[in-house]
Amino acid sequence: AQSVTQLGSHVSVSEGALVLLRCNYSSSVPPYLFWYVQYPNQGLQLLLKYTTGATLVKGINGFEAEFKKSETSFHLTKPSAHMSDAAEYFCAVTHIDSSYKLIFGSGTRLLVRP
Amino acid sequence: DVKVTQSSRYLVKRTGEKVFLECVQDMDHENMFWYRQDPGLGLRLIYFSYDVKMKEKGDIPEGYSVSREKKERFSLILESASTNQTSMYLCASSSPTGEEAFFGQGTRLTVV
Repeated sequence: AQSVTQLGSHVSVSEGALVLLRCNYSSSVPPYLFWYVQYPNQGLQLLLKYTTGATLVKGINGFEAEFKKSETSFHLTKPSAHMSDAAEYFCAVTHIDSSYKLIFGSGTRLLVRP
Repeated sequence: DVKVTQSSRYLVKRTGEKVFLECVQDMDHENMFWYRQDPGLGLRLIYFSYDVKMKEKGDIPEGYSVSREKKERFSLILESASTNQTSMYLCASSSPTGEEAFFGQGTRLTVV
C-alpha cells in the first residue's frame, strides 16, 4: 500500500530564508508525486508534480522539488520565503496500481515571520 | 478556466438528517474523488469513482455513500449525519492517468 509522510506539522521560517518541507513516500511501483498548496478557506492548488523524466521539477511561485528514488523522498524547497507563501502544503502520491487514487500526507503549515 | 464546483461552501445540518454534497466538473474527467479534511490528519479519501456508475471505497467510507449517474457529477451522501462527520469536504477530479487533480473550494459541514 502506498503512503505519504510529511515531517513537521508546522514549519516556521523568516522572510527571505530557505523553505524546506519534507515528504517521504512508500510505493512498490514507480509513483507520481505532487505538492499542493492550500490557502485559508480555499481548495487545493497544484504547485508541482513529478511523473517521469527529470527528477528536479520546478513549480509555480518559485518552488521546486527533487524526486530521490533511493531515499523515497520528494522534498519541497524555495530559496527565499515570502510572506505570501504562508499556507498549508500537502504532499501526495499516486500510481497505476492504485487506479491513480491520490493519497495525501497530513500536511505542513508554513509560517513566515517578518 | 477549468472548474470543479461544489454546491455549498457552508452547511449546517442536524444529527440524523440525510445530507447531500454535490460536485460538478467541466473537464470531462473520468476520475472523481471525495476527501475529508481534518486538522492534523490531512486529506483522507472517502470514495473514488473512475467512471459513471463505478465507485470504489477509500480509506474512510463508513457512514457515507456516493452516486455518479453522469460523468460530470459526483455526489456524496451522508445517510444519517452524525456530529463526528463535522468536517471540511473536498471534491476533486482528474484524468485517467492521474497526472493532475483539480479541487473544488470545499464544503464546511457542521452537524449539530
